[in-house]
Amino acid sequence: DAGVIQSPRHEVTEMGQEVTLRCKPISGHNSLFWYRQTMMRGLELLIYFNNNVPIDDSGMPEDRFSAKMPNASFSTLKIQPSEPRDSAVYFCASSIGQVYNEQFFGPGTRLTVL
Amino acid sequence: DQQVKQNSPSLSVQEGRISILNCDYTNSMFDYFLWYKKYPAEGPTFLISISSIKDKNEDGRFTVFLNKSAKHLSLHIVPSQPGDSAVYFCAASAYGGSQGNLIFGKGTKLSVKP
Repeated sequence: DAGVIQSPRHEVTEMGQEVTLRCKPISGHNSLFWYRQTMMRGLELLIYFNNNVPIDDSGMPEDRFSAKMPNASFSTLKIQPSEPRDSAVYFCASSIGQVYNEQFFGPGTRLTVL
Repeated sequence: DQQVKQNSPSLSVQEGRISILNCDYTNSMFDYFLWYKKYPAEGPTFLISISSIKDKNEDGRFTVFLNKSAKHLSLHIVPSQPGDSAVYFCAASAYGGSQGNLIFGKGTKLSVKP
């Protein structure tokens, strides 16, 4: 299996621009998670989906962030407008069934907002 | 406030010796704990887990110990190998993980020197 696929791997953009991060979970996995990693806050959960439905978005920092999962094989995390403090590594992870905890992570997208 | 704390940002160990990574938590509702390992430019990968009904779980060179009264867990790697050099994250969840939320520590960078 190819594992969790994220694109792009690196993104550099200017403040105010819209940023879209993409994730393809492992086939057959029905839970998907978006995380953000920063030096200050470590690895924090932003939102997770189960069977394409958002279950908990309490970690989404503010309205500038939105996430969608239109089908079982694709999810997006959008930041609009982006700000320098959004600079971080964003990870997508997926898991199967009720075993939420053995999550398989993608390689991450390193976002730099200038 | 951090619910999962890894107070040592880094640890250096000689090859063949034991590595002990520590983790403390504050939320008494946590009942399932995991360790993830992360190499540079890759996503975290699951290493080992333990339920609160146990105080020890072993998998090859890796053993996790849980002290519920002290709200403390540790990961022992014996013997340590240079390939173990990575960042190790402790994570915790409540309700046996059924809620999906994992709370991560900030990680400990382990360096195993040949």
